[in-house]
Amino acid sequence: DTGVSQDPRHKITKRGQNVTFRCDPISEHNRLYWYRQTLGQGPEFLTYFQNEAQLEKSRLLSDRFSAERPKGSFSTLEIQRTEQGDSAMYLCASSLFWGGSESPLHFGNGTRLTVT
Amino acid sequence: QKEVEQDPGPLSVPEGAIVSLNCTYSNSAFQYFMWYRQYSRKGPELLMYTYSSGNKEDGRFTAQVDKSSKYISLFIRDSQPSDSATYLCAMRQNYGQNFVFGPGTRLSVLP
Repeated sequence: DTGVSQDPRHKITKRGQNVTFRCDPISEHNRLYWYRQTLGQGPEFLTYFQNEAQLEKSRLLSDRFSAERPKGSFSTLEIQRTEQGDSAMYLCASSLFWGGSESPLHFGNGTRLTVT
Repeated sequence: QKEVEQDPGPLSVPEGAIVSLNCTYSNSAFQYFMWYRQYSRKGPELLMYTYSSGNKEDGRFTAQVDKSSKYISLFIRDSQPSDSATYLCAMRQNYGQNFVFGPGTRLSVLP
């Protein structure tokens, strides 16, 4: 169990630029979640996948955000035309869903985005 | 009203104290409850996972769920400076729903 891995750890970008983050889940986990966390707040749900299928996307999620998990393994989260309000920690988590049960979420250490 | 509420703290206690952390929630359909610990600039780390009402103990940690009051607690015995972190509660209705997190309580254990 190598844990959930996220890359990069920190990204600084200028407003209007596009950014992409990568998440590698725990290898045997089939569900992958993206959350966003701002200072002093708990993680806020963005979207999640089961294998390669995106099952749910937050209604709060702007059209500038898109996520993929093309082969059911790693996932990418892209933010287009970044805004200062996008500055946050982007957390990836994974779990195993099997036989009608799901393990709790295991998180990576996040990608901290700073938009200047 | 937010779905899940926590006192943000900070909560400061002396080393060795018993710590009580709490969450209240509004959605009576929540069935699965978790506590996570988050150190600064790190991802949340799972501490406890419980289903429905009752108590669960793991080492120095005890989780309690009172669904009738929509109230969950995490107790930390013999607190250590290394327990200084933000504690997040999380919950969900069932396996088809996403996890909802509280805003976290910041704990400081003083040597």
